[in-house]
Amino acid sequence: RKEVEQDPGPFNVPEGATVAFNCTYSNSASQSFFWYRQDCRKEPKLLMSVYSSGNEDGRFTAQLNRASQYISLLIRDSKLSDSATYLCVVKGTEANNLFFGTGTRLTVIP
Amino acid sequence: ETGVTQSPTHLIKTRGQQVTLRCSSQSGHNTVSWYQQALGQGPQFIFQYYREEENGRGNFPPRFSGLQFPNYSSELNVNALELDDSALYLCASSLEAVQETQYFGPGTRLLVL
Repeated sequence: RKEVEQDPGPFNVPEGATVAFNCTYSNSASQSFFWYRQDCRKEPKLLMSVYSSGNEDGRFTAQLNRASQYISLLIRDSKLSDSATYLCVVKGTEANNLFFGTGTRLTVIP
Repeated sequence: ETGVTQSPTHLIKTRGQQVTLRCSSQSGHNTVSWYQQALGQGPQFIFQYYREEENGRGNFPPRFSGLQFPNYSSELNVNALELDDSALYLCASSLEAVQETQYFGPGTRLLVL
């Protein structure tokens, strides 16, 4: 079983739409969670950390449900510049490594 | 930019050859992690180096090896290259091994023919 499972998409949404991405993780002992963004042929960049209480950064909201081992990312008022692959990431419990999902591809259409 | 640099940017090798990839960590960072990202997949953890010692390893065979130097730059070596080794190789640096935020370099694209 994969450590992190994500719907690969693609998601094609119009500008201004709200879009949600979800992922699940397998290790209930995991403590740290993140969303990374990866543009085509570029390196992943940290978008935001995910906290149990939920956290918001502008148009982006991340939620964590420990009981269901489920992480979500909500993007409101989508911009063309939001087009990218969004990677759900869970920090390993044994080594200080990161487990990445396969990524969800988002295209925002004018 | 993250300040993490990698070289070369692109590389073409043939099956059975050996390759060395290099990474310079962000100034002040003593931890480097290496990841392999195959096309259409998320990055997969290869190993991590902290203060010149291996500090964790993913599910990769021994022909994947590494080094970290006193200035905290790092090398990834892959022997006996296979076609499936074709991927983007990413290194990420962090301030300490326990720090959660990892900053990625632009990667090296390796094609094995």
